Parts: sequence; structure tokens; C-alpha cells
Amino acid sequence: QVTLRESGPALVKPTQTLTLTCSFSGFSLRTEDMCVTWVRQPPGRALEWLALISWDDDKYYKTSLRTRLTISKDTSKHQVVLTMANMDPADTATYYCARTQDGSESHYRDWGQGILVTVSS
Amino acid sequence: SYVLTQPPSVSVAPGQTARIACGGNNIGSKSVHWYQQKAGQAPVLAVFDDTRRHAGIPQRFSGSNSGNTATLTISRVEVGDEADYYCQVWDNISDECVFGGGTKLTVL
Repeated sequence: QVTLRESGPALVKPTQTLTLTCSFSGFSLRTEDMCVTWVRQPPGRALEWLALISWDDDKYYKTSLRTRLTISKDTSKHQVVLTMANMDPADTATYYCARTQDGSESHYRDWGQGILVTVSS
Repeated sequence: SYVLTQPPSVSVAPGQTARIACGGNNIGSKSVHWYQQKAGQAPVLAVFDDTRRHAGIPQRFSGSNSGNTATLTISRVEVGDEADYYCQVWDNISDECVFGGGTKLTVL
């Protein structure tokens, strides 16, 4: 059974760096074509893709946020970490991690429950 | 960057057919995926690769993709189908994933 769980702070201050961890089980990021992605959703708004990391350590970022985002993986710990620098109240959102087993361009078949991050002083 | 356009809302009566469109430039050349998100829950994959239903999704859900429009069709709509629906593609030009703005399905 595949599970993903997001963890991190519920509240961050403006200008701080957000660090989120996706802990997963039921699959390995050593497996060919396996990828983990991050998606966020501001309250009442649409899904917004942020970043993706592949089994062979290729990394993809949303173009408009590229300078603020870093995605990395710890295969042995079954974790993927996303950092977002210079947080702003507009970054308040529920952040989800999800996985695809069919390559970076494919669909996301499993999702975590999400973590709400509020940016406020 | 690539843009996907969805109607903000679609309303149907129970038992009727709902069609949710997702527009994009030559979207027919891409693989389109659809997610269902019920209130307060994480998204759930519904249809992938244009027409393939994910495990556990009723046969009432189907997808099509041609030209500049992909469509998610829900036949014999039930109250339990009320949710937000999002289309998704991968943009090979910018190498990033793109979601549509979402469509709220209301079952009257």
C-alpha cells in the first residue's frame, strides 16, 4: 500500500524559508520512472504545481517560482524535501506531495493528505 | 507557458450527463489527466492518458481528447459526484506540469 505524508511547520513568517518533508512508503525512488512531486492549493483556489524530482535525480520546477524552490530526495529515508525561500502571505496554501510511477510527464496516482501552511507575521 | 482553460462551474440534475471541458492549444497532442477533489480532501486521480479510468473509478466516468479540447464526461450523475475537477498536462516546452483552473460540479 502506497502512502505519502507531508510534514513541516503550520506557520511561517514572511521572508522565512519553508521546509516541507514528504515521507512515503510502499514504493522506492530507486525504481525507474518513479517520481515525487509537490502541488499546492491556496484556500478556495486551484491546484498549482511546484516541483518534481525523478528516480534518477532530474529536477523540474515551476518556471515562475524556480528561483525560490529547491527539491531534493533522501532515497534511504524514503523522503523528498521541498524548500521555498522568501515566503509571502500569498504562499499560504495546503501543500501536497504526490507520486507518479510512469515518468516525469505522467499523472499523479497517489497523494498525501496535505499540510496547511500559513504565512503571517 | 501552456494554459489550460476550464469552465468555473457545471450544474446537472441527478441521472443526467455532465461534461467538463478543458481547453488548450492543440491539447489533442498531449496526454490529459483528470482529478476529482471533494471538499476538504486531497485530489484523487480519476482518468489518465485521456481515456483510462483509475482503479476504483466508476465506469460512468470517461474521457476524450481531440483538437483543442479534452472532455471529462460523467454519465448518470450522482450526488456523490459533487466535487471540483481539474485537468492536467505536461508542457514539454517549459518542462513543467500544468493544471487547469478547476470546475466545480454541482448536482442540483
